Amino acid sequence: GAGVSQSPRYKVAKRGQDVALRCDPISGHVSLFWYQQALGQGPEFLTYFQNEAQLDKSGLPSDRFFAERPEGSVSTLKIQRTQQEDSAVYLCASSLAVRGRAGEQFFGPGTRLTVL
Amino acid sequence: DAKTTQPTSMDCAEGRAANLPCNHSTISGNEYVYWYRQIHSQGPQYIIHGLKNNETNEMASLIITEDRKSSTLILPHATLRDTAVYYCIVRSLEGGSQGNLIFGKGTKLSVKP
Repeated sequence: GAGVSQSPRYKVAKRGQDVALRCDPISGHVSLFWYQQALGQGPEFLTYFQNEAQLDKSGLPSDRFFAERPEGSVSTLKIQRTQQEDSAVYLCASSLAVRGRAGEQFFGPGTRLTVL
Repeated sequence: DAKTTQPTSMDCAEGRAANLPCNHSTISGNEYVYWYRQIHSQGPQYIIHGLKNNETNEMASLIITEDRKSSTLILPHATLRDTAVYYCIVRSLEGGSQGNLIFGKGTKLSVKP
């Protein structure tokens, strides 16, 4: 069966460029999470959606980061005016569970962003 | 959510059991212990979770001490494909919790032939 997919798998951007990273969650999954993983570190939470509602964006590092999930399925993480410190793997995860309940999160393969 | 402490790295011989420890001494009564692993260049993969009782599935067993301050993930017959970073995570089920995972640095398990 189809898992979580992300595109592109690799993205190279020049400093100052805008990028858009896409996540296709598992069909029917209510919850969607974005994480950022720097080299040699564990993933760090960025933002959370329940259906189309962005319920938590406390992990977004700056106002250059923006995420949306307009129809409650596909989500896009946008980074404006990229900086070198934005270089990382961006992971998307989806879960059948709703807020307040534990549930297994299914992760995509990630998008490796390199900012030159 | 409670913090966890794991060894930075471990080695295991192929075919032997791999026992990965995790300390979570500040865990509270409604927090679950979750284990995920991340194989190189892939996203994390769920392994198992538990609250109080020991758990077993097709991938692994989870042993939680009676005081719940530590746990051990057991891979009964490690293969080369089990080489990965293993993350022990404690998750709250409080009403406001949305379930995002708080990863540490995990344990790098190397399974050797």
